[in-house]
Order: sequence, then C-alpha cells, then structure tokens
Amino acid sequence: DIQMTQSPSSLSASVGDRVTITCRASQGIRNYLAWFQQKPGKAPKSLIYAASSLQSGVPSKFSGSGSGAEFTLTISNLQPEDFATYYCQQYNTYPLTFGGGTKVEIK
Amino acid sequence: QVQLVESGGGVVQPGRSLRLSCATSGFTFRSYGMHWVRQAPGKGLEWVAVIWHDGSNTYYIDSVKGRFTISRDDSKNTVYLQMNTLRADDTAVYYCTRGNPPHSHNDFWGQGTLVTVSS
Repeated sequence: DIQMTQSPSSLSASVGDRVTITCRASQGIRNYLAWFQQKPGKAPKSLIYAASSLQSGVPSKFSGSGSGAEFTLTISNLQPEDFATYYCQQYNTYPLTFGGGTKVEIK
Repeated sequence: QVQLVESGGGVVQPGRSLRLSCATSGFTFRSYGMHWVRQAPGKGLEWVAVIWHDGSNTYYIDSVKGRFTISRDDSKNTVYLQMNTLRADDTAVYYCTRGNPPHSHNDFWGQGTLVTVSS
C-alpha cells in the first residue's frame, strides 16, 4: 500500500497568515493527489484534485502543487472559517490512502 | 444538486451484521463509481471500498476483505455496504462518496452514518 505522510500534524496560525502543508507519498503517484478540508462533526469537503486543480466553488485562496511523490497545499490569507483539519489522498493505486491529517488552529 | 444520504448505522454487537445504504440524487448515478470511507472516533480518514460505475469491479481495504461487500442498485440510485462479522475496530462514521475509478477523486460526500460495534 502507498503510505501518505503529511506534515506538520498540526500548526497554529493567525488570521491573515499564509500556511503550507506538505504531503509525501511512499512511491510516485503521478498527479493523482487530492486535498480535503474537514470541520468538526462534518463530512470532508473536496478542495483540490489532480494535485493543483481547484474543485468548483472553492475559493482561489487554496492552491496545490507538486507531482510524483511530493505535494503541497497552500492557504493564503487565513480566515476564521479556514481553521479545520486538512487531509491529502492518493488515488493512483488501490487501496486509496489518506495522509494522517493536519489540524490548523488559531494562534 | 448532488446529494448523498447515508442510513443504516447504529449499535451492533461484535460478530453481527449491518447493511448501510447511500441514496443519491442530482446526478446520473449509473455513470459514476461509488466509494465508502470511514473515520473512527477522533481518528483520520480510511478508505474502505469502491464499486465501478457498471459494477464490473470492486476493491476493498485488506481489513474488511471477506467481511464487507459493496453493491449498487441503479434502479434506486443507491449504493450499499453489507458488513458482516463486525468487530470493535469497525466502529466509525461511514461516509458514502462519489468518485469514478480508476483515477478520479472523491468529489461529493454524504453526511455520514455512525456504526458502533459494542457488546
């Protein structure tokens, strides 16, 4: 199985900050990488697919990059509604696998 | 709009069975693959199973192989997860999600249904 390693596991940031989350795959996954946002008690929400494509309706403050085995999610101008847990997922190979999550908290 | 609504969760004893349903609307169901993803309390996301749009292929995570079966009924726009021989570590919120295999992401998710396996 492909292991997905996210870092950091948590971070504290202030409103207006720009944050970057990294996701590394244990082997190459081309660009079959998605990012999700999850708020407490809610279902995950798709943000980014194909490593850098923005899901319809998602604001452009979210951006993704990378290919192969290393990927990043960047959130610009952090707002109160962005404080949540973020997960990466590879969909290159079954079983599909998720990273462990990054909790973004208010500083 | 796309809607996915799970049902069938509850409290069940170890070794017993449960069937989850996910009723969908707002898209052409027969054109899409469907997945189940679960999340144990306080833990991360774990992909569980997928069924191709035409039912020709299914895949499962190792820990549920031989115990869980994913199926679909295109006449009812519904996907199912039959869970047998349940164990305590199957306790989780189970989400139904749309995604067209082999290489399409999970773009829409249901609200989830909680399965608790406990004596």
